[in-house]
Amino acid sequence: LAKTTQPISMDSYEGQEVNITCSHNNIATNDYITWYQQFPSQGPRFIIQGYKTKVTNEVASLFIPADRKSSTLSLPRVSLSDTAVYYCLVGRLMNTGFQKLVFGTGTRLLVSP
Amino acid sequence: GAVVSQHPSWVICKSGTSVKIECRSLDFQATTMFWYRQFPKQSLMLMATSNEGSKATYEQGVEKDKFLINHASLTLSTLTVTSAHPEDSSFYICSARDGTRNYGYTFGSGTRLTVV
Repeated sequence: LAKTTQPISMDSYEGQEVNITCSHNNIATNDYITWYQQFPSQGPRFIIQGYKTKVTNEVASLFIPADRKSSTLSLPRVSLSDTAVYYCLVGRLMNTGFQKLVFGTGTRLLVSP
Repeated sequence: GAVVSQHPSWVICKSGTSVKIECRSLDFQATTMFWYRQFPKQSLMLMATSNEGSKATYEQGVEKDKFLINHASLTLSTLTVTSAHPEDSSFYICSARDGTRNYGYTFGSGTRLTVV
């Protein structure tokens, strides 16, 4: 399983765009990149997943450069409710059997008024 | 879609007693579920992989006789913390993935266990 490195914490203000970068130098050819959000005393929640280039959904965008050794989660116009811990995970989606997810330290995002 | 229900959300028990935590996949079948433990201000630590109809696979350092896992059906996995001690107090989270849908794993809401 590819090891990931993220900043421990980030601060932002309401309405700003937040970009959280994750390094995964040992990513394998078949690995996908997935981001999760976790609020205190809750289970993680799936945000976005991608393999290469750019993926966008209703809550975030994921930018993956050509070498795939890093990825950036972009949260547009954050609000106070985006204060949470964000985890970047790298792993394989297998048709049979499921790869266990191993969480890194995550990035604690604090959004202030 | 892909909802995982975890029960109870919190529990307080006395040292030496056992506590059972349930994890259910509500709208899909989960042949594999995962159990995590999370201490305050720390990341999730994978404890074990629960496999329907077979023995669970435990991560290194996790005592299988203390954390009993049963995955008797395609929608239910249980984690029993036996002879609980205060150091077992933690936040326990389960997860599963719906293999028919192309998105990530779904996590339960977690169970806060306090052993007194």
